[in-house]
Amino acid sequence: GQQLNQSPQSMFIQEGEDVSMNCTSSSIFNTWLWYKQDPGEGPVLLIALYKAGELTSNGRLTAQFGITRKDSFLNISASIPSDVGIYFCAGQETGGGADGLTFGKGTHLIIQP
Amino acid sequence: GAGVSQSPSNKVTEKGKDVELRCDPISGHTALYWYRQSLGQGLEFLIYFQGNSAPDKSGLPSDRFSAERTGGSVSTLTIQRTQQEDSAVYLCASSREWADTEAFFGQGTRLTVV
Repeated sequence: GQQLNQSPQSMFIQEGEDVSMNCTSSSIFNTWLWYKQDPGEGPVLLIALYKAGELTSNGRLTAQFGITRKDSFLNISASIPSDVGIYFCAGQETGGGADGLTFGKGTHLIIQP
Repeated sequence: GAGVSQSPSNKVTEKGKDVELRCDPISGHTALYWYRQSLGQGLEFLIYFQGNSAPDKSGLPSDRFSAERTGGSVSTLTIQRTQQEDSAVYLCASSREWADTEAFFGQGTRLTVV
């Protein structure tokens, strides 16, 4: 099956810094999703991308669907304490439901005040 | 309901016992998914339902795992004769329909087998 590499595994940053994380896949994806998971909670969808080259923003978050269709990145600008959590990318090769999603192992974001 | 609801939030069970995990999807969502999340890992897909039917059960780790959905709503994931390696967070998600990739997750059930 497809492999999805998410990096970095963890990030220790200062409040106010910008953050960048990315995912790469071994195969072409048609959909990229980015989720955030707080401790003790389920993942919450942040941004969904459906088209190669697509750049989408959600507040301080910006995500892009790579033009090769094998990668995606998520940027967070001017980080704040509530950005702490684990960020997951997820990709899907073909159309269909969430059962076809492959998830990255997550980027653990830690913000030092 | 307003969101996906799972119960219990936490479950500690003895090895060899059976457990039932419940998921209440968002009202009107026809597709329901079960995932397993082990420590430091991504989400492992287990099974999905379209209505009350589960077209693909190949993601279930063993025959000790089963799931059902009734009335196109509530789903139950059952693990029989639990083993320590079953310890994980079990997440349920739902979407409006199967073709809708944007799934909404519940808070999960943290299962600990001792």
